[in-house]
This record gives sequence, structure tokens and C-alpha cells, in this order.
Amino acid sequence: AQSVTQLDSHVSVSEGTPVLLRCNYSSSYSPSLFWYVQHPNKGLQLLLKYTSAATLVKGINGFEAEFKKSETSFHLTKPSAHMSDAAEYFCVVSVGAYSGGGADGLTFGKGTHLIIQP
Amino acid sequence: EAQVTQNPRYLITVTGKKLTVTCSQNMNHEYMSWYRQDPGLGLRQIYYSMNVEVTDKGDVPEGYKVSRKEKRNFPLILESPSPNQTSLYFCASRDWTDSGNTIYFGEGSWLTVV
Repeated sequence: AQSVTQLDSHVSVSEGTPVLLRCNYSSSYSPSLFWYVQHPNKGLQLLLKYTSAATLVKGINGFEAEFKKSETSFHLTKPSAHMSDAAEYFCVVSVGAYSGGGADGLTFGKGTHLIIQP
Repeated sequence: EAQVTQNPRYLITVTGKKLTVTCSQNMNHEYMSWYRQDPGLGLRQIYYSMNVEVTDKGDVPEGYKVSRKEKRNFPLILESPSPNQTSLYFCASRDWTDSGNTIYFGEGSWLTVV
């Protein structure tokens, strides 16, 4: 079985300050990991993904995440928050189909709501 | 352009009146899935399909039906909607042959059952 824990349901930062959204996972297999962003009244958009290549992954809009196998973490960071970053963020773990986390191999975190203070 | 299209985007209906939310993808993906999103509960999977004519229950299948007669379409059917099915629904698709392949989501369908 596998699981994903987004450690904070809400994160509030001031505009221009760093953002850290935390994601821990457990998996019996070597997973791929994703971060998706959902802006209000919109669908989920891929921010970045880790697929066993470089452990530091850069995504869109200045976000990046580092895969740390020893810590089973995939935290999302951004050096300087912008008002447009206010959204819901989902961490997703993916293993091969029929390997765990259901036959489709996908497990979603419960989401972190990012609030940007002016 | 890679796309997952859901319809309708917004719907208000009455208890017991059958409705269908359509989902179509243009990427020739074998895998498609339906989720509902509720405050504080994140995304919960309703049903998924690994291929044509192959569907499986997710975490919250009660009150829903699906069909997968062709690869591009995966409609979600509410035979007798109830107010607890008021939610935001997402359809998704992906090429499941590699765990690193991107999952593509539709824009969402807001459903209110009164």
C-alpha cells in the first residue's frame, strides 16, 4: 500500500516571502511524484513531476521540488510568493498500475490551501 | 492540444432526476477516472477505467455509475441524485503504461442537487 501526507492543510505567507508546502509519502515501490495546482474554479494543472531522473525538479511559475528518498519527502518551494500563487496544491504519488495504491497506482494528498497576504 | 472536456460545467438539478456528466479526451489514453472534490476531503476517486469495457470502483462509488464503450469517452451517471452528491467533479485521463506520465484533468463540473 502507499500513502501521501500533505502536512499542512493551510499555509499563509506574505507576498514576496518564500513558500514551502510539505509532502511526505510512503510506497513499497519507486514512485513518480507530482505536484498539481488548482486555482479557484479551475481544473488541476501540472506544476512539476519527479520521474527518477534529477532529484531537484523545476516547474512552472518558479516552483521547484526536491525528491528526498531518505526522508520520503517531496516538498514544494518557491523563493518569492506572488498573489497569483494563491490556490490549492495537491501532491500525488504514482506507481505502476496494479503495484499499489489501487489498480491505477495513484494516490492523492488531501491538498494544501496556500494563502498569500498582501 | 491535449484536452479533457467535461460537460456540463455547471448544473443545478432536483433530487431523483437522472443526469449524466460527459467526459471526453483527445489523447488516446486508455486510463480515465472520475473524482469528486469536497471541502476538507480533497479528491476522492469515484470510478476509474483502465481500458474500454473495463471499469473499477474507487473510494466512493455509491450512487454513481459509469460506462466505457469507447476509448475517448467516460460518462458519469447519477441515476437518482441526492443532495449529498452536491460536489465538484473532475474527470482525468493518462497513459498508465508509465507511472511518470502526466495525469490530465478536465476543468470540473459543479453539480448542485436540491
